[in-house]
Amino acid sequence: EAQVTQNPRYLITVTGKKLTVTCSQNMNHEYMSWYRQDPGLGLRQIYYSMNVEVTDKGDVPEGYKVSRKEKRNFPLILESPSPNQTSLYFCASRRTGGDTQYFGPGTRLTVL
Amino acid sequence: AQTVTQSQPEMSVQEAETVTLSCTYDTSESDYYLFWYKQPPSRQMILVIRQEAYKQQNATENRFSVNFQKAAKSFSLKISDSQLGDAAMYFCAYRRAGTASKLTFGTGTRLQVTL
Repeated sequence: EAQVTQNPRYLITVTGKKLTVTCSQNMNHEYMSWYRQDPGLGLRQIYYSMNVEVTDKGDVPEGYKVSRKEKRNFPLILESPSPNQTSLYFCASRRTGGDTQYFGPGTRLTVL
Repeated sequence: AQTVTQSQPEMSVQEAETVTLSCTYDTSESDYYLFWYKQPPSRQMILVIRQEAYKQQNATENRFSVNFQKAAKSFSLKISDSQLGDAAMYFCAYRRAGTASKLTFGTGTRLQVTL
C-alpha cells in the first residue's frame, strides 16, 4: 500500500530535550516536505527536500532541522524544543512532476 | 506571495442538502493547481478534489464538485447530498506549477452536518 508514515503519532516532551520525528514514504517520491498545523493558521511549510541531500527552508524553519540521506526518509529534528513548537506536524511527499501531495497521519507534539 | 483565503470559519448543512464552501486566492502565476483537502477528527489529510488552472472544465468527484473562476481567483467546493461522514475541516490549497513549489493553505472551514 502506497503510504507516508510518521512516528511517533503523539509525543509529550519538555523544553530543551532534543527529539526527532521520523517520516518515511514507499512511493519513490523525490519531493518531501514538513508542515505544521496551528489553529486559525492552516498548514505552513517548515522544510522541504527535492531529493537526497537537497533540502531548503519553507515558511517557518526556525527551530527545526531536517536531513535527507535516503530517498524514502525525511526526519524532522528539534534540537531544543520550546513550547511554541507545540503543534500538529505533517510529513508529505509527491513526485517531482506530480501535482498531488500525499500526507502522513500527523504527529501531535506537546512541549511543556 | 501567494495567499489563500477561506472566509467561512464554520458552516452547517443538513443531511442530504447541498453546501458550498468558499475559497479565494491571490497569485500572479498563470499555471497552478488548486486543491480541497478534508481533515476529519482523525486528523488525516484527505485529498477531496483537484483542479489544474489551465483546464476550463470544473473538476468533479462523485458528490464533490468545484466552481473554478480563474479570472475572479475563486475556487469554491460544492458538496451535494451531504452525509454525516462529510463533517470535517476543509482546507483549500494552492500550488504553482514547478518542481520546488509548496502547498499554500487557507485557514480552513469547519463543516457540521446535522440530521
